Amino acid sequence: EVQLVESGGGLVQPGRSLRLSCAASGFTFDDYPMHWVRQAPGKGLEWVSGISWNSGSINYADSVEGRFTISRDNAKNSLYLQMNSLRAEDTALYYCAKEDTTWYFDLWGRGTLVTVSS
Amino acid sequence: QSALTQPASVSGSPGQSITISCTGTSSDIGGYNFVSWYQQHPGKAPKLMIYEVSNRPSGVSDRFSGSKSGSTASLTISGLQAEDEADYYCSSYTSSNTLVFGGGTKLTVL
Repeated sequence: EVQLVESGGGLVQPGRSLRLSCAASGFTFDDYPMHWVRQAPGKGLEWVSGISWNSGSINYADSVEGRFTISRDNAKNSLYLQMNSLRAEDTALYYCAKEDTTWYFDLWGRGTLVTVSS
Repeated sequence: QSALTQPASVSGSPGQSITISCTGTSSDIGGYNFVSWYQQHPGKAPKLMIYEVSNRPSGVSDRFSGSKSGSTASLTISGLQAEDEADYYCSSYTSSNTLVFGGGTKLTVL
């Protein structure tokens, strides 16, 4: 089955770190760029970060630049998001998404919830 | 990068057509044909409805269509059905090699 499954979310205190994972299956993972998109409770979608198939190109939203690090392990069909110095405004459902071409996402996971609170 | 501008809500009766606009700048929508539209039902992940301005993925109804003029993209849904009631988001590639979403539009089918 073609799917993306996120994990690693949870409740974390402000200033602490968390690492999200996304396990891909049913397609050739290393053929495609991958992204993280988040959605704060009751709010809209916000693109967080993207990584090319070979990790040669990595981009971040201004809101997370310098705090979050995206990475991938093609041998394990996995995508990661290391989140440091977390803030209350990082509270959101984090989706993993597969880019087909030209920055559109044809496959999404169900998301993992990150709550930053003391 | 500021979010693209969408109306907060639109509504229509079954069978009618509605159009949702998405306004950006020359650095995003106006500069590239990399506009996409997503449908999101409550509690569900987004679903790709339109890519590259006007292309429909396999399996998406032809009642959904997309277009662009200058820095404004549009999603039109014809023959509205109850199951079309959802949130809709536009997105665009930007000159900063990033992606920007619109604020989202809640479609109500009356």
